[in-house]
Amino acid sequence: DGGITQSPKYLFRKEGQNVTLSCEQNLNHDAMYWYRQDPGQGLRLIYYSQIVNDFQKGDIAEGYSVSREKKESFPLTVTSAQKNPTAFYLCASSVTGTGYGYTFGSGTRLTVV
Amino acid sequence: AQSVAQPEDQVNVAEGNPLTVKCTYSVSGNPYLFWYVQYPNRGLQFLLKYITGDNLVKGSYGFEAEFNKSQTSFHLKKPSALVSDSALYFCAVRGLSGGYNKLIFGAGTRLAVHP
Repeated sequence: DGGITQSPKYLFRKEGQNVTLSCEQNLNHDAMYWYRQDPGQGLRLIYYSQIVNDFQKGDIAEGYSVSREKKESFPLTVTSAQKNPTAFYLCASSVTGTGYGYTFGSGTRLTVV
Repeated sequence: AQSVAQPEDQVNVAEGNPLTVKCTYSVSGNPYLFWYVQYPNRGLQFLLKYITGDNLVKGSYGFEAEFNKSQTSFHLKKPSALVSDSALYFCAVRGLSGGYNKLIFGAGTRLAVHP
């Protein structure tokens, strides 16, 4: 089945450490996105990528970094510069075009301990 | 600027009663509108979309939405609510933001269906 996979489902990080969240899709989608969701809140866009080797900052990119070396993969690194990283992180992908929605992964819950 | 508004943080409904979750939008050009549902600790699941055609769109799990161009609204509806419908619902519009065409999400509405 085609889909989008995020791993791990739960992640614990010590303060001062960088961590990388994985996002892989086999839907042949060109565009991929990372969102942050805080408890009971809406979605905030971190980074997005329309094509391989290209990505743009979203609304809250500070303290995060991404890469897009392959069409299928869009990993997100939460760096030590992110002061409040505890959140639920969602990855999504889509066909580029006006009539298309997003397919979401099941999310990664990151907790700083 | 393109935007989506979900005016209610929470909607409370008794099981078996009809439900409505409201959404209004602002977008230049033709609107492409979507509804998603999120259960706890899960990703967003697609419910339905309006691209063109009939103003009443039917989607998953018995949900439907009515597109109203004059009121710039796309309210989500279900004739008879189930306790299992309790979740967080997001409305979205596809539009230009920051130079790129992408989904713009509302803040979400929490639906609570009581037995």
